[in-house]
Amino acid sequence: DAGITQSPRHKVTETGTPVTLRCHQTENHRYMYWYRQDPGHGLRLIHYSYGVKDTDKGEVSDGYSVSRSKTEDFLLTLESATSSQTSVYFCAISPGLAGVGEQYFGPGTRLTVT
Amino acid sequence: QQQVKQSPQSLIVQKGGISIINCAYENTAFDYFPWYQQFPGKGPALLIAIRPDVSEKKEGRFTISFNKSAKQFSLHIMDSQPGDSATYFCAVCSGYSTLTFGKGTMLLVSP
Repeated sequence: DAGITQSPRHKVTETGTPVTLRCHQTENHRYMYWYRQDPGHGLRLIHYSYGVKDTDKGEVSDGYSVSRSKTEDFLLTLESATSSQTSVYFCAISPGLAGVGEQYFGPGTRLTVT
Repeated sequence: QQQVKQSPQSLIVQKGGISIINCAYENTAFDYFPWYQQFPGKGPALLIAIRPDVSEKKEGRFTISFNKSAKQFSLHIMDSQPGDSATYFCAVCSGYSTLTFGKGTMLLVSP
């Protein structure tokens, strides 16, 4: 998985609680991404980062926030988890070469909101 | 707004046959067209990719065909094997190497 770890790998939480997922990379890649994967929807971009402290919204950003204080770490926070946020979350990294969209994905975090 | 439409949703192919998956996209501001392969319980992995100035790219048994005027590209898997059974995603790449994915095709190669 290209030097990418995600933690936790599985989490069950209750509606209304805050949740933070962590993505850690050892590749020193500039760009990092968070996706969610749901049956029938494929992979959808939540947020991405193009450098330390530089982040932007993706297609499905409502209810999520991110932070990147170091090159190697990208955190995804669900401020108040809802059942609709039950999903598998993938982190990805990219060296960010111009015109090249190679992304390398982590192993995923399965989140269940009850 | 669905920028990438992928078909079919699922596909069953006999061992040794050709698997074909198609994608169509909706605007021209994309500069990289990758295909990802995902096995159950794993993250997607880059399989093969093409730039819009090339009409075809082949890597082993995998070929991308790209038709810029029709805004379509397809993945062909020759001599399909049971180990190719996975979910395949096409994607289009835009700014900051962000990807917009199709909804995926579940491929089953029967022995």
